[in-house]
Amino acid sequence: DAGITQSPRHKVTETGTPVTLRCHQTENHRYMYWYRQDPGHGLRLIHYSYGVKDTDKGEVSDGYSVSRSKTEDFLLTLESATSSQTSVYFCAISDKSSYNEQFFGPGTRLTVL
Amino acid sequence: GENVEQHPSTLSVQEGDSAVIKCTYSDSASNYFPWYKQELGKRPQLIIDIRSNVGEKKDQRIAVTLNKTAKHFSLHITETQPEDSAVYFCAADGSSNTGKLIFGQGTTLQVKP
Repeated sequence: DAGITQSPRHKVTETGTPVTLRCHQTENHRYMYWYRQDPGHGLRLIHYSYGVKDTDKGEVSDGYSVSRSKTEDFLLTLESATSSQTSVYFCAISDKSSYNEQFFGPGTRLTVL
Repeated sequence: GENVEQHPSTLSVQEGDSAVIKCTYSDSASNYFPWYKQELGKRPQLIIDIRSNVGEKKDQRIAVTLNKTAKHFSLHITETQPEDSAVYFCAADGSSNTGKLIFGQGTTLQVKP
């Protein structure tokens, strides 16, 4: 597996609390992505980054924000968690913008009660 | 934007039989079509991909075909084995130059011994 880690791997939190998930890579890849995975929906892109401090929205970005202050770290923040954000979150990395082979992290299972 | 439809959602075959999963996409500018395999509780892993300048690619028991005119591509697994049981996702890159992938909804493949 590519050098990608996610933390925490599991988290249970309450509605209304802020949550930050971290993706860390040791591959020095330029592109990083956050997806959520829900039954029947496949993998849906939340936000992505094409460089340090360069980020943009994906298809399901409402309620989420991201930051990338270093090449190796991409943070996903839920400002005020809701039950609809209960999901498995995957980070992915890639080193090119075309013919884009993406490699995934191990995932974070988030439960919002 | 790009939309990817994947069928069937579930597929059950006998060991040794072939399995075919089909995907259609909407953005004619898509040029890259990867397939991912996800075992239960694990991360998605790239198993094969195809670029728009070829019509077929094979790797041992798996093959992918692409029909750009019809905007569909398929995954073929021959001589299926129980360890092929997993969820399979197709994806397309759309017309974005930021490496985004749009995923299909996934196919759960069960190979019965």
